[in-house]
Amino acid sequence: GQSLEQPSEVTAVEGAIVQINCTYQTSGFYGLSWYQQHDGGAPTFLSYNALDGLEETGRFSSFLSRSDSYGYLLLQELQMKDSASYFCAVWGYSTLTFGKGTMLLVSP
Amino acid sequence: KAGVTQTPRYLIKTRGQQVTLSCSPISGHRSVSWYQQTPGQGLQFLFEYFSETQRNKGNFPGRFSGRQFSNSRSEMNVSTLELGDSALYLCASSSQGGGGNTEAFFGQGTRLTVV
Repeated sequence: GQSLEQPSEVTAVEGAIVQINCTYQTSGFYGLSWYQQHDGGAPTFLSYNALDGLEETGRFSSFLSRSDSYGYLLLQELQMKDSASYFCAVWGYSTLTFGKGTMLLVSP
Repeated sequence: KAGVTQTPRYLIKTRGQQVTLSCSPISGHRSVSWYQQTPGQGLQFLFEYFSETQRNKGNFPGRFSGRQFSNSRSEMNVSTLELGDSALYLCASSSQGGGGNTEAFFGQGTRLTVV
């Protein structure tokens, strides 16, 4: 089976940097993904790491270390609109298995 | 390019009834997955279809079923509804057959309330 652990809530202020960690236990996977979901909305894709290392997309970066069974999402220059839930997920052959999500609260 | 469309957006049903939800994936995508999202359990995988075949199934009772049509549109059905089935049901489509997916595209979901 597969399980992913991430903090339930993180708070930060506008302009700050925040890191959301994800540790996982899985027998094997193709890659680690991150999704953002605003309240009541559809999850939207943020990033994908197939290999170890850092992937950068604008203000967002994601990191994967397979040897440590660990990944993180880094959000820089936080904006109020970044307040949302963030999910890490691993790709099996044809499915995504999600963590339970981290609610990010950005305050002025 | 149109996104993933789920209908209906909202649904209220009574215990014991059955319900059918619909999902139209992005044009050209052949893989459709269904997820149940609840506050306590997060996003839980229900099943995945590719070219009309169910390839993977999550740990849900047999009351939950689905199918996919030749145009890749998918439906899921829940029979004998229980209060605990109240949830947001999300559909996701992806292009690859397996092992090559990097991104899944989600619909807005169907909010099912069982009373």
